[in-house]
Amino acid sequence: GENVEQHPSTLSVQEGDSAVIKCTYSDSASNYFPWYKQELGKRPQLIIDIRSNVGEKKDQRIAVTLNKTAKHFSLHITETQPEDSAVYFCAARGGGSNYKLTFGKGTLLTVNP
Amino acid sequence: DVKVTQSSRYLVKRTGEKVFLECVQDMDHENMFWYRQDPGLGLRLIYFSYDVKMKEKGDIPEGYSVSREKKERFSLILESASTNQTSMYLCATSLTYNEQFFGPGTRLTVL
Repeated sequence: GENVEQHPSTLSVQEGDSAVIKCTYSDSASNYFPWYKQELGKRPQLIIDIRSNVGEKKDQRIAVTLNKTAKHFSLHITETQPEDSAVYFCAARGGGSNYKLTFGKGTLLTVNP
Repeated sequence: DVKVTQSSRYLVKRTGEKVFLECVQDMDHENMFWYRQDPGLGLRLIYFSYDVKMKEKGDIPEGYSVSREKKERFSLILESASTNQTSMYLCATSLTYNEQFFGPGTRLTVL
């Protein structure tokens, strides 16, 4: 089955700096890569996703890049703000499944004012 | 707006008890999922269902079963609760190929 590795497990940045979180996956047939944000005490919510036929996607201050050859994808947050502080999860949908996502273990991002 | 609700936010049970966690969605989504979330381990899939009465094992199904008698309702059952099942349980729903929407979670403590 699919295996997703996520790094780093914790990340601390100053407000206004950029943050990058990286994930690797094992199944070369994986075709969908979402990122979820989970604020303390709240449910995970989708913030951005990318499909395997696209190399990069951007939505305001967040962007995701995908390198299919290397089997890794990254989340980039620019001009970080204290409200970006949360746990971020990457996920991948393996080629053999239409529904199932495999999640990384999460990154705790802290943005210091 | 998708609404996914779970029967309890907090639950305390004793070892050996049978435990039912229920998830209800109001958006006619075909797919429903049960995850458990533990610090440092991320979200791990227990079971999922892609249609009424259909179910598939996820990555950690041992000690759990599920039931989906109606499209909007997906139940997770702990046949005989054990202390190592103390965790946060999250339900999610999705349309095929699309994002998953999560419920608020149930924090289960087994004493």
